[in-house]
Amino acid sequence: KAGVTQTPRYLIKTRGQQVTLSCSPISGHRSVSWYQQTPGQGLQFLFEYFSETQRNKGNFPGRFSGRQFSNSRSEMNVSTLELGDSALYLCASSLSISGRGEQFFGPGTRLTVL
Amino acid sequence: GQQVMQIPQYQHVQEGEDFTTYCNSSTTLSNIQWYKQRPGGHPVFLIQLVKSGEVKKQKRLTFQFGEAKKNSSLHITATQTTDVGTYFCAGGDRGSTLGRLYFGRGTQLTVWP
Repeated sequence: KAGVTQTPRYLIKTRGQQVTLSCSPISGHRSVSWYQQTPGQGLQFLFEYFSETQRNKGNFPGRFSGRQFSNSRSEMNVSTLELGDSALYLCASSLSISGRGEQFFGPGTRLTVL
Repeated sequence: GQQVMQIPQYQHVQEGEDFTTYCNSSTTLSNIQWYKQRPGGHPVFLIQLVKSGEVKKQKRLTFQFGEAKKNSSLHITATQTTDVGTYFCAGGDRGSTLGRLYFGRGTQLTVWP
């Protein structure tokens, strides 16, 4: 069974630009969660989607948004990029809602904002 | 709001020594999960505990869930260099139907040979 895939793996953008990251969950998984990881800050929860509906949202500004498609693939978008948005963005999929079962993480997208 | 605190943030041990990381929640959890992230990698699921007072073992790793379901620990006996990485706990929110996971900040383990 293929794992969680994320594209692109690396991205370099400049301040003010916008970016879209993609996540393909494991086949059959309906939940996709997104996390931002920076050194020393651990995993900061962005949002979770289940069956195309946003179920939870973390404490991030409205510049961060996401969506999920009918095939469970998910995208997240960051508009008006800031230097502080440089981070590893991880998505994780699970069969059920995130709080109830094992989450499978993708390799992440490394975003650098110059 | 819900918070999961994890200590210590860093731990340096010599190979063969034991290691423990602790996780505490401000509220009762539905379950606790543990993940390991190797340097340069992504978090990988280790285990889930659901029952009050539950103890599970995986070879040299022992996981405990407190009686009140507010705290948990991961203990590694006789560490090896392959144990290097960051260990995260993640608590499931019991009180809400939303049921999201709350991750601790992680404990970064360094093992000297």
